[in-house]
Amino acid sequence: AQTVTQSQPEMSVQEAETVTLSCTYDTSESDYYLFWYKQPPSRQMILVIRQEAYKQQNATENRFSVNFQKAAKSFSLKISDSQLGDAAMYFCAYRTSGYALNFGKGTSLLVTP
Amino acid sequence: DAGVIQSPRHEVTEMGQEVTLRCKPISGHDYLFWYRQTMMRGLELLIYFNNNVPIDDSGMPEDRFSAKMPNASFSTLKIQPSEPRDSAVYFCASSLGLAGEETQYFGPGTRLLVL
Repeated sequence: AQTVTQSQPEMSVQEAETVTLSCTYDTSESDYYLFWYKQPPSRQMILVIRQEAYKQQNATENRFSVNFQKAAKSFSLKISDSQLGDAAMYFCAYRTSGYALNFGKGTSLLVTP
Repeated sequence: DAGVIQSPRHEVTEMGQEVTLRCKPISGHDYLFWYRQTMMRGLELLIYFNNNVPIDDSGMPEDRFSAKMPNASFSTLKIQPSEPRDSAVYFCASSLGLAGEETQYFGPGTRLLVL
């Protein structure tokens, strides 16, 4: 079974600074997809960014980017120029085609003024 | 589109009572998922449907839980009888397909408290 591990239960960053959230996963598959979801206090799950395993180029969405290391099975999320609205739980997730998402336990991000 | 709609948003009930959670997926989405979120176990997949047919219910915790999808625009998750350990946030999500790149869109969740 695939497992997704987020080793940082909580992280803190100052406004305008950069923070990196870690995620590792375990799989024997070669073709898969990785996701970061954001869950603000409203509880709504919001897709932040997605990475296809067959693409070597790291995905980027505005202030959000990933560092995908396929050999190391690592998929970290970098948030640049952090804003107060970035405060939330962040979930790393994995899936292969034909299967549902498999989530990590989450990292709670606190953004301080 | 209004997105995935769930009702109720909050539910408080007493142990032993029946609880029914409802979900309306995004129109045109063929897949519907039910997840449960707790502090201890995180986000767990309970069951998912394809074209109204249950495909994988291996995550359903026990016989007290049942899910149905009578048509493409409605699904229910029922707990009977409910127990305090069922207290959690229950999410419904939908997607166009199960290809890896397909995005799952989540509803706002139902916070269930069983006393």
